[in-house]
Amino acid sequence: DAGVIQSPRHEVTEMGQEVTLRCKPISGHDYLFWYRQTMMRGLELLIYFNNNVPIDDSGMPEDRFSAKMPNASFSTLKIQPSEPRDSAVYFCASTLSPSAPQHFGDGTRLSIL
Amino acid sequence: SQQGEEDPQALSIQEGENATMNCSYKTSINNLQWYRQNSGRGLVHLILIRSNEREKHSGRLRVTLDTSKKSSSLLITASRAADTASYFCATEPYNNAGNMLTFGGGTRLMVKP
Repeated sequence: DAGVIQSPRHEVTEMGQEVTLRCKPISGHDYLFWYRQTMMRGLELLIYFNNNVPIDDSGMPEDRFSAKMPNASFSTLKIQPSEPRDSAVYFCASTLSPSAPQHFGDGTRLSIL
Repeated sequence: SQQGEEDPQALSIQEGENATMNCSYKTSINNLQWYRQNSGRGLVHLILIRSNEREKHSGRLRVTLDTSKKSSSLLITASRAADTASYFCATEPYNNAGNMLTFGGGTRLMVKP
């Protein structure tokens, strides 16, 4: 299996621009998670989906952030407009069930100038 | 707030030595998981220990769980330079009612050759 695939690996853009991060989960995994990792705050859960339906988005920082999962093999995390404080590494992960180990992609390193 | 807190935050040892990392958590759990993160990569699942288990082994890894103290430890025996990484514990809350894994802040392990 190819594992969780994220794109792009790196993104540098100016503040105010729209940023779209993409994730392809492992086939057959019903749960998909978006995390943000920073030195100051560690690894934070932003939102997760079950069978393509958003279940808990309480970790989404503010309305500038939105996530979608139009089908079982694709999800996006969008930031509009972006701000310098959004700079972080964003990870996508998937799993078969809530108790099972999560499989992480290699992340998108986002820098907002 | 973080459910799991790792200790120490950073650890530097010589190749061949054992490395012990600790994790404390606050609320009752269903299971506790340990992950490794190499620089620039996503988290990789190492081992899962359930709340009714006290010890588990996987190769050079040994994990213990003390639910009365709400703590766990990860022991890496005969460490190698390739073990250099950050190690995270993650807890699944008891009676998981839509609450997913909560990750600690991690221990940065450096194994010097």
